[in-house]
Amino acid sequence: AQKVTQAQTEISVVEKEDVTLDCVYETRDTTYYLFWYKQPPSGELVFLIRRNSFDEQNEISGRYSWNFQKSTSSFNFTITASQVVDSAVYFCALSDTGSARQLTFGSGTQLTVLP
Amino acid sequence: EAGVAQSPRYKIIEKRQSVAFWCNPISGHATLYWYQQILGQGPKLLIQFQNNGVVDDSQLPKDRFSAERLKGVDSTLKIQPAKLEDSAVYLCASSPSRSLWDGGRDNEQFFGPGTRLTVL
Repeated sequence: AQKVTQAQTEISVVEKEDVTLDCVYETRDTTYYLFWYKQPPSGELVFLIRRNSFDEQNEISGRYSWNFQKSTSSFNFTITASQVVDSAVYFCALSDTGSARQLTFGSGTQLTVLP
Repeated sequence: EAGVAQSPRYKIIEKRQSVAFWCNPISGHATLYWYQQILGQGPKLLIQFQNNGVVDDSQLPKDRFSAERLKGVDSTLKIQPAKLEDSAVYLCASSPSRSLWDGGRDNEQFFGPGTRLTVL
């Protein structure tokens, strides 16, 4: 069975601070995908990134960066120089690579960026 | 490109009543998913369709929930009768195709705005 754990329920930072959201996963699959989604107050889940288990290179996209470490089953997400608009719930998710490709979500981390 | 459409956005009903939610996926997307998101939790898959066929409904409470995608396009999720614990946001998502390691985003799921259901 697959499981995603986001131990941080809520994080509060002041604008321009850096913040890291932790994600730990469990799977018996040898190949899989990892995702991060953002859910602003409007409720719609917004795709941020997908990584496949073959590729452990870190990725940077603007103020966002992701650190994938297969050895520790972690896929952490860092926002540099946070902004108020980053306030949202962030979900880490895991998908198999079979025909279903179903997402297993963590419980989410509520990030609040204060002005 | 139009996104995933869902209606209604909000619904309040009393327990034991029936309710239906509608989803129109992104044009051309073969796969459609329904998720239930209880407050404070991540979304949980209820049912997955590939075109008009069910791929997985193992987590759908079939005694009260039903879903269909008759023409392989839009879909309806129904609850009959509703219970208090069904209060949640119901999210619909769609994805384009079945190919896997293509380096693109075609197994990405695009989510609709959700329907917030309150059962009193």
